[in-house]
Amino acid sequence: NAGVTQTPKFQVLKTGQSMTLQCAQDMNHNSMYWYRQDPGMGLRLIYYSASEGTTDKGEVPNGYNVSRLNKREFSLRLESAAPSQTSVYFCASSEISGQPQHFGDGTRLSIL
Amino acid sequence: GQQLNQSPQSMFIQEGEDVSMNCTSSSIFNTWLWYKQDPGEGPVLLIALYKAGELTSNGRLTAQFGITRKDSFLNISASIPSDVGIYFCAGITSGTYKYIFGTGTRLKVLA
Repeated sequence: NAGVTQTPKFQVLKTGQSMTLQCAQDMNHNSMYWYRQDPGMGLRLIYYSASEGTTDKGEVPNGYNVSRLNKREFSLRLESAAPSQTSVYFCASSEISGQPQHFGDGTRLSIL
Repeated sequence: GQQLNQSPQSMFIQEGEDVSMNCTSSSIFNTWLWYKQDPGEGPVLLIALYKAGELTSNGRLTAQFGITRKDSFLNISASIPSDVGIYFCAGITSGTYKYIFGTGTRLKVLA
């Protein structure tokens, strides 16, 4: 059971570079999410997709774009990376709309 | 942004002891979730609570939805070394799908 798969697991970028984080789930879930996790803070929602073709901004969407390519895949793009975007990024999916149920193992992103 | 207060922030306990932790909010929540995160992995959903006063168990874990709807509690009975990790609560108010996450309780179990 793969569940939620995120790639890459680690990445180092220079300020101003662009990058796409990939996420795929094999559970046929409609809802998918992108969160970021920073030290001393709870997970914060970046973007949410209730179903294929729909996306909605979360708590901290600035500097990010997303693409719900199909039911399985939900990608997160940083167009011009900034040091403040250094974080661990988690993708999640769920059967219940809005309730993150299954998380990937994260992408650890450092921006210099 | 709004955050939930989790208490304690961290705790060391002896193997076999019971553990209690809680989560409080200034807002009324309709649903509470509890997750566990192991190092280098994503959170795992442990328990979901949907009604005030609800008590739900998952093995040695028991969680309660507070009567005031502004808090929730997680208890772990007879702790074992694999209980080590960070426990997060998350809550949601009516009219939104955006869960707010707590800052976590870091649990360390001494064998």
